[in-house]
Amino acid sequence: GAGVSQSPSNKVTEKGKDVELRCDPISGHTALYWYRQSLGQGLEFLIYFQGNSAPDKSGLPSDRFSAERTGGSVSTLTIQRTQQEDSAVYLCASSLAPLLAGAQETQYFGPGTRLLVL
Amino acid sequence: KQEVTQIPAALSVPEGENLVLNCSFTDSAIYNLQWFRQDPGKGLTSLLLIQSSQREQTSGRLNASLDKSSGRSTLYIAASQPGDSATYLCAVKLFGANSKLTFGKGITLSVRP
Repeated sequence: GAGVSQSPSNKVTEKGKDVELRCDPISGHTALYWYRQSLGQGLEFLIYFQGNSAPDKSGLPSDRFSAERTGGSVSTLTIQRTQQEDSAVYLCASSLAPLLAGAQETQYFGPGTRLLVL
Repeated sequence: KQEVTQIPAALSVPEGENLVLNCSFTDSAIYNLQWFRQDPGKGLTSLLLIQSSQREQTSGRLNASLDKSSGRSTLYIAASQPGDSATYLCAVKLFGANSKLTFGKGITLSVRP
């Protein structure tokens, strides 16, 4: 079946502009996660959705970052007034059942959106 | 705060060699540990997931072990091939951590033909 998809695959923007990144999780996956991978920094957690609610937003780096999920499916990560330090690869992942043991907890990742802020 | 460390950052081996990739974590109260592979410019592919109650998991030429008490996991790759060249990341999830994963920075493996 189809995996996690993200769009756009690449985004170049000017400092100060707003950007929207989209994630389509695997059908039927209730949990959705956003991570950021910066050069030399490794992967850092941003936000987690269970259905349409976000019980954990602890990783969002500033109030310029927000995310929403509608219909328990597609999610959008919005970065307002982008800064150069926002340049990174933004990865989305989904899982079937985050609170059950076993393979159902496996997180499946999309290919990412490469954001470059000039 | 959970910290995950992977050393060395890079590794180069000749084809056919058996190798071990190491991962250490500071908080032993983990719910599970997951190993991923990342190819250049691509997303992550899950390789193995080990629950806290398990000691190891195997898939083909890969074997991952978990020792919670010492805060360590190893990924064993048998008979390495050039196609195994990639970055390998381990990630842990704590109990009650709302499912977020804490990642190491990864080990970039190069298997020479």
